[in-house]
Amino acid sequence: DVVMTQTPVSLPVSLGGQASISCRSSQSLVHSNGNTYLHWYLQKPGQSPQLLIYRVSNRFSGVPDRFSGSGSGTDFTLKISRVEPEDLGDYYCLQSTHFPPLTFGSGTKLEIK
Amino acid sequence: EVQLVESGGGLVKPGSSLKLSCVASGFTFSSYGMHWIRQAPKKGLEWIALIYYDSSNKYYADSVKGRFTISRDNSKNTLYLEMNSLRSEDTAMYYCAKNWELHYWGQGVMVTVSS
Repeated sequence: DVVMTQTPVSLPVSLGGQASISCRSSQSLVHSNGNTYLHWYLQKPGQSPQLLIYRVSNRFSGVPDRFSGSGSGTDFTLKISRVEPEDLGDYYCLQSTHFPPLTFGSGTKLEIK
Repeated sequence: EVQLVESGGGLVKPGSSLKLSCVASGFTFSSYGMHWIRQAPKKGLEWIALIYYDSSNKYYADSVKGRFTISRDNSKNTLYLEMNSLRSEDTAMYYCAKNWELHYWGQGVMVTVSS
């Protein structure tokens, strides 16, 4: 199974500041078709997860451009600029290149400093 | 608007069975693979099952293989998860989600396994 190591566990940020979350996989997430199936989700308190970024760097419909994803191979990053109160919650990465199983990172709690 | 609505959860005893449903609307259900994902209380997300758009392939996490069965009825736009031999560690919120990148999730349904 692919292990997704997500850091940090907790990320205190100031409103208007920048946040960066890392996700590292135990093997390359490049599929034989050339795509990299690494995605990012935000779970706001009391809600179900919502897709932010798919396939490393593609913003999902309606996601503000304050969110950006980057990386390749085994090393990926989600950056949030100009953090707003609505950005608070738990962030997860997910790989769907190698399955079963699909595997999630353990999560990062974004909170106000 | 894409909507996924789960139902069928509840409180059951260890060893019992339960069948969850996920009714889809707002998209062509028969064209997309579907997943079940769960989240134990105060824990992270765990993928548990995937079914292809035409039911040709089904995959499971080791934690549920042999006990849970994913299925779908494309004529009813409905995804199912049949859960047998339930254990206390199956206690979780269960979500269905659409397509490869889990673009959309339902609101979830709670399953509690306790004596």
